[in-house]
Amino acid sequence: GENVEQHPSTLSVQEGDSAVIKCTYSDSASNYFPWYKQELGKGPQLIIDIRSNVGEKKDQRIAVTLNKTAKHFSLHITETQPEDSAVYFCAASIRDGGSQGNLIFGKGTKLSVKP
Amino acid sequence: NAGVTQTPKFRVLKTGQSMTLLCAQDMNHEYMYWYRQDPGMGLRLIHYSVGEGTTAKGEVPDGYNVSRLKKQNFLLGLESAAPSQTSVYFCASSYFIRSLAAYNEQFFGPGTRLTVL
Repeated sequence: GENVEQHPSTLSVQEGDSAVIKCTYSDSASNYFPWYKQELGKGPQLIIDIRSNVGEKKDQRIAVTLNKTAKHFSLHITETQPEDSAVYFCAASIRDGGSQGNLIFGKGTKLSVKP
Repeated sequence: NAGVTQTPKFRVLKTGQSMTLLCAQDMNHEYMYWYRQDPGMGLRLIHYSVGEGTTAKGEVPDGYNVSRLKKQNFLLGLESAAPSQTSVYFCASSYFIRSLAAYNEQFFGPGTRLTVL
């Protein structure tokens, strides 16, 4: 079945530095790749997503790149701030019976931004 | 809009007890999902629903049942709780973008923290 690998599991950066989180997926039919941020005690919240017909997408300090050939996608956060500290999850869409809206999630990356 | 809400926020059960977790969404979404989140395991899909009256099994369905009698509600039941079901449970909802023939993001609720002793 579909598998999503996420690295690293923990990441510590100094405020102002960049952070990069990488994910690989196994199903070539996957066509939707969201990234979620989860703060302590809260539910995951979408921060950016990308579809398979696009190679890169940017939203202010956050960007996502997709390489369909290599089946990997990455999250880039520039000029990190302490409020960026959270757990980040990548996900990939899968085809599951009559539904194509299901997601397989990576195991998460705990990002710590030191002031 | 309240978005996705979950009831209760916390619960402690004894082994063998039963309970129902309620998820409600006010966004008129067709699709709803139940996940469990365990340390180091990410989010794993338990059951999902593509519309009122329909449900399907996800990755880890054993020990759980679900019902979607109304479009806005998705119930997750534990008939006989086990310590292995200690987890944080998240509900999510989504919809299909017909103009793009694609699915939209999943919106998550705040979670229910369940402990089974």
